[in-house]
Amino acid sequence: DTGVSQDPRHKITKRGQNVTFRCDPISEHNRLYWYRQTLGQGPEFLTYFQNEAQLEKSRLLSDRFSAERPKGSFSTLEIQRTEQGDSAMYLCASSNRDRGLQETQYFGPGTRLLVL
Amino acid sequence: AQSVTQPDIHITVSEGASLELRCNYSYGATPYLFWYVQSPGQGLQLLLKYFSGDTLVQGIKGFEAEFKRSQSSFNLRKPSVHWSDAAEYFCAVGSYNNAGNMLTFGGGTRLMVKP
Repeated sequence: DTGVSQDPRHKITKRGQNVTFRCDPISEHNRLYWYRQTLGQGPEFLTYFQNEAQLEKSRLLSDRFSAERPKGSFSTLEIQRTEQGDSAMYLCASSNRDRGLQETQYFGPGTRLLVL
Repeated sequence: AQSVTQPDIHITVSEGASLELRCNYSYGATPYLFWYVQSPGQGLQLLLKYFSGDTLVQGIKGFEAEFKRSQSSFNLRKPSVHWSDAAEYFCAVGSYNNAGNMLTFGGGTRLMVKP
C-alpha cells in the first residue's frame, strides 16, 4: 500500500494556458475525490468518481475544469484557459466503498498550482 | 447543508502543555467526523475518525477527540504537545449517502509550539 500519489507536485503556468494533473489512488480503492484548497482555507470538494463514473460535481467546477478516470484507476484533472483565481492546492483522495458508509478518505500530497 | 466551524484560527502552546482544538459542526443527520493534520506544503494525514459507538475516539500521535451531540462538537485534545505537532489541523464532516461521501472542512487551526 503505497498511498495516494499526485503529479506534478508543483506547477507554474501563465494565465490562459491549459494544465493537467494526475492522481494515482491507493490500489483497489474504487472511489476517488478531488478537492481544492486555497491559501488559508480548508479543502473544498470538486468532484468524485466511483470506478470510472463521475457521480458528483461541485458548483466550484466551472466549464473550464474537466476530470476523468478512464479505467477506474488513475484520474486526471484538466484546467483549460487558466485564470489567476485557479491558483490553489489541488488534493486527491481515495477510499474503498466496500466499507459501506463508514469509508475513510486518504489524501495525496497535492499539486500546488500558481497561475501568473 | 452541512458546515464546520473551527473558531480558533491560530493557537500557540508551550511544548509539554495540553492542547484542545475546537470544532463545531452543523449536520442534519448522524455525523461522520474526522480530524486531519497538514504540514506546510503537504497533503492531509488522518488523525482520527468518529462513525458511531464510543464518543471518545483515540487516534495517532497521542491525539483523542470527543463527540458531543448535544453541543454539536468534536474537539481534539492532546495531553502533552511536542514540537513536531506544529501544523494545521482540519476538522471535517462527511455527508454520506450511497452515491459518495463529500467531506466538508472547517477553515483550519494553525498550531504553533513554543520551546
